[in-house]
Amino acid sequence: KAGVTQTPRYLIKTRGQQVTLSCSPISGHRSVSWYQQTPGQGLQFLFEYFSETQRNKGNFPGRFSGRQFSNSRSEMNVSTLELGDSALYLCASSSGALSGNTIYFGEGSWLTVV
Amino acid sequence: KQEVTQIPAALSVPEGENLVLNCSFTDSAIYNLQWFRQDPGKGLTSLLLIQSSQREQTSGRLNASLDKSSGRSTLYIAASQPGDSATYLCAVWSNDYKLSFGAGTTVTVRA
Repeated sequence: KAGVTQTPRYLIKTRGQQVTLSCSPISGHRSVSWYQQTPGQGLQFLFEYFSETQRNKGNFPGRFSGRQFSNSRSEMNVSTLELGDSALYLCASSSGALSGNTIYFGEGSWLTVV
Repeated sequence: KQEVTQIPAALSVPEGENLVLNCSFTDSAIYNLQWFRQDPGKGLTSLLLIQSSQREQTSGRLNASLDKSSGRSTLYIAASQPGDSATYLCAVWSNDYKLSFGAGTTVTVRA
């Protein structure tokens, strides 16, 4: 059974640009959540999608957005990139409600903003 | 706001010694607590999930306890091996549907 797949794995963007990251969950999983990990702030929850609906959102500005498609694949978009957005972005999937089930993580997308 | 703290931040032990990792949280109104392992530059691997109604979970050499009333969880790793070297994070699902992570404990097991 394939795990959570994230693309691209590494990318470099310039300040002011926008970026889209993709996540394919484990087959059959309907919940996809996104996280930002930085040395200074640690691992922070961005948002969760379940059956194409955003169910929960962390404390991030509106520049961070996401969506989920009918096949449960999810994308995360960051607009008007800032240097502080440089981070490892992790996606995770879960079979049901994120709050009650084991979360499985992908390898992450390393974003560098220059 | 839920605050999750992990102490110590780093730990170095000789092979064969038992590991004890601590996680504390400020709001006891939680759904569950999950322990993860993260290798350098990699994603997180789930180790154990403890529901709020449970006191402990075990998997092989791993045992995690949960004392919700005191806001504490402990992860025990028996007979540590060099392959156990990694960063261990705990994450708490609060009743307000927020997921909060600790900063992690970086473990080094010396051969």
